[in-house]
Amino acid sequence: KAGVTQTPRYLIKTRGQQVTLSCSPISGHRSVSWYQQTPGQGLQFLFEYFSETQRNKGNFPGRFSGRQFSNSRSEMNVSTLELGDSALYLCASSLLGEGLNTEAFFGQGTRLTVV
Amino acid sequence: QKEVEQDPGPLSVPEGAIVSLNCTYSNSAFQYFMWYRQYSRKGPELLMYTYSSGNKEDGRFTAQVDKSSKYISLFIRDSQPSDSATYLCAMSFRGGFKTIFGAGTRLFVKA
Repeated sequence: KAGVTQTPRYLIKTRGQQVTLSCSPISGHRSVSWYQQTPGQGLQFLFEYFSETQRNKGNFPGRFSGRQFSNSRSEMNVSTLELGDSALYLCASSLLGEGLNTEAFFGQGTRLTVV
Repeated sequence: QKEVEQDPGPLSVPEGAIVSLNCTYSNSAFQYFMWYRQYSRKGPELLMYTYSSGNKEDGRFTAQVDKSSKYISLFIRDSQPSDSATYLCAMSFRGGFKTIFGAGTRLFVKA
């Protein structure tokens, strides 16, 4: 059974640019959550999607957005990149759609560096 | 004050030692408690998942939840060098759609 796939694995962008990250959940999983991980702040919740609907959102500026497609694949977008957006972006998928109240599986993450 | 507090370590122990990892939290509404292990350059993987209070054992790992003290623990028996990783505690609300993570504790097990 294929795991959670995130692409790309590594990305270097310039301040002011925008970026789109992709996450393909495990087949059959309908819930996808996104997290930002940095050494200083740890893992912080960005948003959660279930059946193409955003059900919850963390405390991030509007520059961070996401969406989910009918096949459960999800994308997140960051516009007007800032140096502080450099982080590991992780997505997690779960089956029952209660976010991480049930077992969730993380992808390997996308390492974003903003220069 | 953060909702979930976890000592970032690092924690260094000899092979075979019993490791104790802990988190405290402030919100009594948390109902689900998890421990994740994260190796360098990898995503977190779920180790233990507990609903409400009590103990749960899985092989060398034991998770404990004390809701009265707002304190959770993960014990690793007979620690191995392969256990060297960052351990993250996490918790969420019943019916909630987001999870709050601790900062993670870096563990080194020396052969």
